[in-house]
Amino acid sequence: AQSVTQPDIHITVSEGASLELRCNYSYGATPYLFWYVQSPGQGLQLLLKYFSGDTLVQGIKGFEAEFKRSQSSFNLRKPSVHWSDAAEYFCAVVPSGGYQKVTFGTGTKLQVIP
Amino acid sequence: KAGVTQTPRYLIKTRGQQVTLSCSPISGHRSVSWYQQTPGQGLQFLFEYFSETQRNKGNFPGRFSGRQFSNSRSEMNVSTLELGDSALYLCASSLEAGMGADTQYFGPGTRLTVL
Repeated sequence: AQSVTQPDIHITVSEGASLELRCNYSYGATPYLFWYVQSPGQGLQLLLKYFSGDTLVQGIKGFEAEFKRSQSSFNLRKPSVHWSDAAEYFCAVVPSGGYQKVTFGTGTKLQVIP
Repeated sequence: KAGVTQTPRYLIKTRGQQVTLSCSPISGHRSVSWYQQTPGQGLQFLFEYFSETQRNKGNFPGRFSGRQFSNSRSEMNVSTLELGDSALYLCASSLEAGMGADTQYFGPGTRLTVL
């Protein structure tokens, strides 16, 4: 069955430190891949997406993600975390081609300490 | 440009009742999708509407239904509410296609509590 895994439920980093959030998927072919962020009481905001082409994708707020086909991964990174980055992050996957249903990961809550 | 708006923001109902939630997409957007978010099940896709037609549907019982109007506004309805329907219901709009090819913009959600 198709699935998306975010192995880290909760991550704590110090402000200014680097960040990597993991996302692994299980699909037959390369799907469309997304990262969203959700602040408390808010909807989701798209950080970045991968459809094809360059495997390193740049997003908003200084985030980037790298698609690794061999590892079925799409990890999100940021070189220096700011206190305002504290939120919940969701990886999402959609099978490529046609109008397909989206599957979200379970989310990773990021805490940033001064 | 105004973002996606959802009304009401908070709702309290009792078991067995029905509820209707409303979503107004960004002006010019024709696709509206609905999601349910709970601590136990996470984010789950409910359905997507495009030009007043349901284009895709998630794995939810028939108690969950929706519709889209000619102005692209959408409503979702849940009948015979159960305690497990307590959730944050999110609406998202996009210009044309669904999540596969187009960026979705999310509203702040409607928090439904079933007592």
